[in-house]
Amino acid sequence: EIVLTQSPGTLSSSPGDRATLSCRASQSVSSSYLAWYQQKPGQAPRLLIYDAFSRATGIPDRFSGSGSGTDFTLTISRLEPEDFAVYYCQQYGSAPTFGQGTKVEIK
Amino acid sequence: QVQLVQSGSELKTPGASVKVSCKASGYTFTSYGVNWVRQAPGQGLEWLGWINTDTGNPTYAQGFTGRFVFSLDTSVSTAYLQISSLKAEDTAIYYCARKALGYNYGSEWGQGTLVTVSS
Repeated sequence: EIVLTQSPGTLSSSPGDRATLSCRASQSVSSSYLAWYQQKPGQAPRLLIYDAFSRATGIPDRFSGSGSGTDFTLTISRLEPEDFAVYYCQQYGSAPTFGQGTKVEIK
Repeated sequence: QVQLVQSGSELKTPGASVKVSCKASGYTFTSYGVNWVRQAPGQGLEWLGWINTDTGNPTYAQGFTGRFVFSLDTSVSTAYLQISSLKAEDTAIYYCARKALGYNYGSEWGQGTLVTVSS
């Protein structure tokens, strides 16, 4: 099983800041099959990024994904008020697994 | 538009069974698989497995064989998750998610079903 470790656990930022979230895999993720989701309290997760860098339909271009192998990054170029949430990475190159999440909170 | 609508919250006693439904609309149900994911209170996401809606073939994640069963009723575009011999640690929100074509991530998600197991 591929273990995904996300860092930081909590990111305290202000609207307008750039946010950089990390997802590290215990072994290489096949073909960069990595997705990112956003989850707000009381809501289901929402797909943001798939295949490491492809934005899902309707996702603003302030969200971008990068990386390959074992190291992946989700970048939010300028935080909007609605971006404060928990973010999860998921690999699907083998039996799917999720990271433990990064909470982006208002400083 | 694509929608997945799940059944309502359930309160069960330990040892009982529960069946969660996930009704799909806005697309051809048998063209996309359905993933099942759970989230314990205050915790992260855990993949339970998926079901091929064309063949009915289920795939279960490690640790979710035996008590967890995925099924379908394609006549009403609905997927089901049945959990038997419920334990307190099964208390969680259970989500269905439409599986992307050919790849195992969830492109659209149901709203979730809270299953509470308590005596």
